[in-house]
Amino acid sequence: DTGVSQDPRHKITKRGQNVTFRCDPISEHNRLYWYRQTLGQGPEFLTYFQNEAQLEKSRLLSDRFSAERPKGSFSTLEIQRTEQGDSAMYLCASSLAADNEKLFFGSGTQLSVL
Amino acid sequence: DAKTTQPNSMESNEEEPVHLPCNHSTISGTDYIHWYRQLPSQGPEYVIHGLTSNVNNRMASLAIAEDRKSSTLILHRATLRDAAVYYCILHRNAGKSTFGDGTTLTVKP
Repeated sequence: DTGVSQDPRHKITKRGQNVTFRCDPISEHNRLYWYRQTLGQGPEFLTYFQNEAQLEKSRLLSDRFSAERPKGSFSTLEIQRTEQGDSAMYLCASSLAADNEKLFFGSGTQLSVL
Repeated sequence: DAKTTQPNSMESNEEEPVHLPCNHSTISGTDYIHWYRQLPSQGPEYVIHGLTSNVNNRMASLAIAEDRKSSTLILHRATLRDAAVYYCILHRNAGKSTFGDGTTLTVKP
């Protein structure tokens, strides 16, 4: 078990470009979450999946954001037409569906939009 | 969404106990109380969680008020490696968790 893996660790892009991040959860975990975190603040929920189904999306997830988990394993988060305000740490977490599930977080992808 | 309130920062001396408080007056009956901590440039790390009863694990203890409107994370002997941002969150099964801005714990040698 290597934990939750996120790739890349850092991404620098120009405004208007599209970016895609990948998250590989712990293998037996059927729930996967995406969060966004800006400096000095706690993580903000974006969306979550149970297996391949996307069950909840935050109002923060604008039309430029899309997340997928096609086979219920890894997930991707795509941001289209990036804006400077998208600069943040994007965190992925996974858990087992249970009444007292613990979240296991990856180290995140730090996005800088120039 | 149910919210939590934590002090912005706390200080402790090394090898002394630390009590980190959290208020969650709008907690519902199905909310679990989770604590996570985060070091710079890393994702949050699970510390402990509970529903109604006090909990102990190798990292910490969690004391939950009888009315569940507050809780306290207890680090029995703080070390320099315990310096981090600590988040108290309410987690409902099959749903999002709402993180506040956490408590920054400074441990002095």
